[in-house]
Amino acid sequence: DTGVSQNPRHKITKRGQNVTFRCDPISEHNRLYWYRQTLGQGPEFLTYFQNEAQLEKSRLLSDRFSAERPKGSFSTLEIQRTEQGDSAMYLCASSHRTDPTYEQYFGPGTRLTVT
Amino acid sequence: GQNIDQPTEMTATEGAIVQINCTYQTSGFNGLFWYQQHAGEAPTFLSYNVLDGLEEKGRFSSFLSRSKGYSYLLLKELQMKDSASYLCAVRDRGGYGGATNKLIFGTGTLLAVQP
Repeated sequence: DTGVSQNPRHKITKRGQNVTFRCDPISEHNRLYWYRQTLGQGPEFLTYFQNEAQLEKSRLLSDRFSAERPKGSFSTLEIQRTEQGDSAMYLCASSHRTDPTYEQYFGPGTRLTVT
Repeated sequence: GQNIDQPTEMTATEGAIVQINCTYQTSGFNGLFWYQQHAGEAPTFLSYNVLDGLEEKGRFSSFLSRSKGYSYLLLKELQMKDSASYLCAVRDRGGYGGATNKLIFGTGTLLAVQP
């Protein structure tokens, strides 16, 4: 069990550019979540996948954001036309389908800085 | 609406006991988690409560009162490595017929343990 991994760990981009982040959940975890965390705040829910189906999206997720989970394994989060307000830590978490507590295991995050 | 409140900062002495309180108001309560987050790292699971009462796990204990919308995390025999942010999170059934089970986080309590 290697845990949840995320790439890249850090991304610096200029305003207006597109960025894509990748999350590899723990093997056999069918549930995958994306959260965003800014300094001094707790993580905020962005979106949820059960297998390959995206079942819920937060209203925080504007149309510049899109997430996919092809084949129900890894997931990508893309931000188009980045804005300075997008600067944050983007966290991915996964949980196992048979875990009754739905405990979520978090990855190390991707820190995005938009200049 | 959904609201989770916890103190922003706390300070305690090495070897002492500290209690971090959390109050919540959510529309779809389905359990409460405590996570620990060191600066620049991913949140890591500490405890889970779904029924009223106290759950003990080594130096850490967590209490829940659903009627009062209240929880606390108790840390005993504090060590310097316990200096971190402690996040209270409520599991919300969410959309899609309650299948999401997303986490709604508080802002976190930054605990500083002093020698």
